Amino acid sequence: NAGVTQTPKFQVLKTGQSMTLQCAQDMNHNSMYWYRQDPGMGLRLIYYSASEGTTDKGEVPNGYNVSRLNKREFSLRLESAAPSQTSVYFCASSGRDSRIYSNQPQHFGDGTRLSIL
Amino acid sequence: SQQGEEDPQALSIQEGENATMNCSYKTSINNLQWYRQNSGRGLVHLILIRSNEREKHSGRLRVTLDTSKKSSSLLITASRAADTASYFCATYTFKAAGNKLTFGGGTRVLVKP
Repeated sequence: NAGVTQTPKFQVLKTGQSMTLQCAQDMNHNSMYWYRQDPGMGLRLIYYSASEGTTDKGEVPNGYNVSRLNKREFSLRLESAAPSQTSVYFCASSGRDSRIYSNQPQHFGDGTRLSIL
Repeated sequence: SQQGEEDPQALSIQEGENATMNCSYKTSINNLQWYRQNSGRGLVHLILIRSNEREKHSGRLRVTLDTSKKSSSLLITASRAADTASYFCATYTFKAAGNKLTFGGGTRVLVKP
């Protein structure tokens, strides 16, 4: 009954360091997403993967890369961390809805709190 | 850019009172969803209302949608301390690829015992 699992939960980096945030879902969902949440800004979409083997940019992709490793896993990589990337990062997944003009709700992990000094 | 904007940004009420928050959006949508976020946790889906629906209920939650005004409201009746959380609206518009939602900035609700 895990749902969406994110690792690590907390991380502190120095400017210029790199790291990968991991996300896995066990609900057999096709679509996966990475968001960042900053105070008063709601959630902003970084990248998403509509299905295994595809990835696309969201609203704020600069400074990030993603990999859809398989249907379960979707990772987010910061190649050279900057203080502006200090944020809480959320991974989410959703299933496919047979009604083309609809969609299914997204299921979220509990986030990775990332501080870049 | 944010599609949905919640109002008010923060709300403080006594246990047992009703809490109402509003969401306005800018472009046409296929559905609108409300999510709850407890402190330090991820978002949890509450309710989805489609563009051809005007009102929907789920337990103590009532959601309305007025597509002519591009607005939605979430009513929590008989609030409890456990309802203390941030509430976000999110809009969905069909596109050729992906299944993307656009979130508003949220309403922080404090329910005092």
